[in-house]
Amino acid sequence: QPALTQPRSVSGSPGQSVTISCTGTSSDVGAYNSVSWYQQHPGKAPKVLISAVNYRPPGVPDRFSGSKSGNTASLTISGLQAEDEADYYCCSYAGIDTFRIFGGGTKLTVL
Amino acid sequence: EVQLVESGGGLEQPGGSLRLSCAASGFIFSDYEMNWVRQAPGKGLEWVSYISSSGTTIYYSDSVKGRFTISRDNGKNSLYLQMNSLRAEDTALYYCVRVLGSAFDYWGQGTLVTVSS
Repeated sequence: QPALTQPRSVSGSPGQSVTISCTGTSSDVGAYNSVSWYQQHPGKAPKVLISAVNYRPPGVPDRFSGSKSGNTASLTISGLQAEDEADYYCCSYAGIDTFRIFGGGTKLTVL
Repeated sequence: EVQLVESGGGLEQPGGSLRLSCAASGFIFSDYEMNWVRQAPGKGLEWVSYISSSGTTIYYSDSVKGRFTISRDNGKNSLYLQMNSLRAEDTALYYCVRVLGSAFDYWGQGTLVTVSS
């Protein structure tokens, strides 16, 4: 199954905002409001940031927000901080046959 | 505190088998759907398999279908992944992951599987 398409890398300065896109198809991202986002620091397990497109679980800072338009979901990080430097992955439900599909991941660099 | 602790990884030859286990604690295991997600060295995340809370519904990615079997023992608060006919491309860190709603809300630290001759 082909992965959802994410930019390989993005960067921003402290205090700025960055947006990471996640492009799928009408069979996954576009079909279901089941997009989630994960942050992974080197050597660590992923941590959920966003579920159901734009729901932020308890404990996740409100600097992280999610949205979706058509076949593309987006994660926006505002007020960028040094500790936000990490890899970010999107994931979507894709129906019974494929079930779950991840994006290829985006490396965020805080300049 | 929710804890997921994987074990069973190691070095195995192509064509061999391994059985991964995940010990769950800190929550009512039988109430939750579970998954295995893997990550090849230096690569991204790949969903591997899903099992419903009762164990009656199971899904696999195309890359492991017919070779891997997911199962659970709710009495032992444990999740398993039987991996047969291993290939070099199965080399990865395997995570045990809990599902809440549409997200993977808790992840173990992973167990490393290396397939090499």
